[in-house]
Amino acid sequence: EAQVTQNPRYLITVTGKKLTVTCSQNMNHEYMSWYRQDPGLGLRQIYYSMNVEVTDKGDVPEGYKVSRKEKRNFPLILESPSPNQTSLYFCASSLGLAEKTKNIQYFGAGTRLSVL
Amino acid sequence: LAKTTQPISMDSYEGQEVNITCSHNNIATNDYITWYQQFPSQGPRFIIQGYKTKVTNEVASLFIPADRKSSTLSLPRVSLSDTAVYYCLVGDLNTGGFKTIFGAGTRLFVKA
Repeated sequence: EAQVTQNPRYLITVTGKKLTVTCSQNMNHEYMSWYRQDPGLGLRQIYYSMNVEVTDKGDVPEGYKVSRKEKRNFPLILESPSPNQTSLYFCASSLGLAEKTKNIQYFGAGTRLSVL
Repeated sequence: LAKTTQPISMDSYEGQEVNITCSHNNIATNDYITWYQQFPSQGPRFIIQGYKTKVTNEVASLFIPADRKSSTLSLPRVSLSDTAVYYCLVGDLNTGGFKTIFGAGTRLFVKA
């Protein structure tokens, strides 16, 4: 089954404790992306990747890191989490970079993160 | 950068047709128009995409006028389960990058 898998689904942590949220897709997609969603602010893109070893900042990259060492995986790293990073996070992937295909994205189930 | 504008919310009753319009005055020549549906605490789900005129699939129809400065998502005979947030998305390749920018979305509430 074609899917985007995020782990963990729920995470409670404390300020400053490094964490990684994993994302994996089994569709051989080129484009992968991370979003955060907060009440009243909609979906905001954190980082995206056009292919292996190629990443770029979205609209809210501060406090986050990503890597794309393999095509299928795109982990999100919070080196020193802070309470303002408490949010619902989504990973997504799409087939290609062409205008038409980039915007047809498949989303994971989400990771709800609480930073105390 | 193409920016989209949608109504914040809409109410409907079961069995009615719902039309949600999105404005995208600065749409670029190569931009496609894509719509997503999102239920609470779930990831958005692709519904439909179009470039011009009309596109129809098993879920919805998408109407795009000749000037492409707006588009209308049409949901036929909605049910309670269509209560969700609907996002209109337009390409962003004008910036030279590959960002994806979701607007605020339209919260549709279907009543019995």
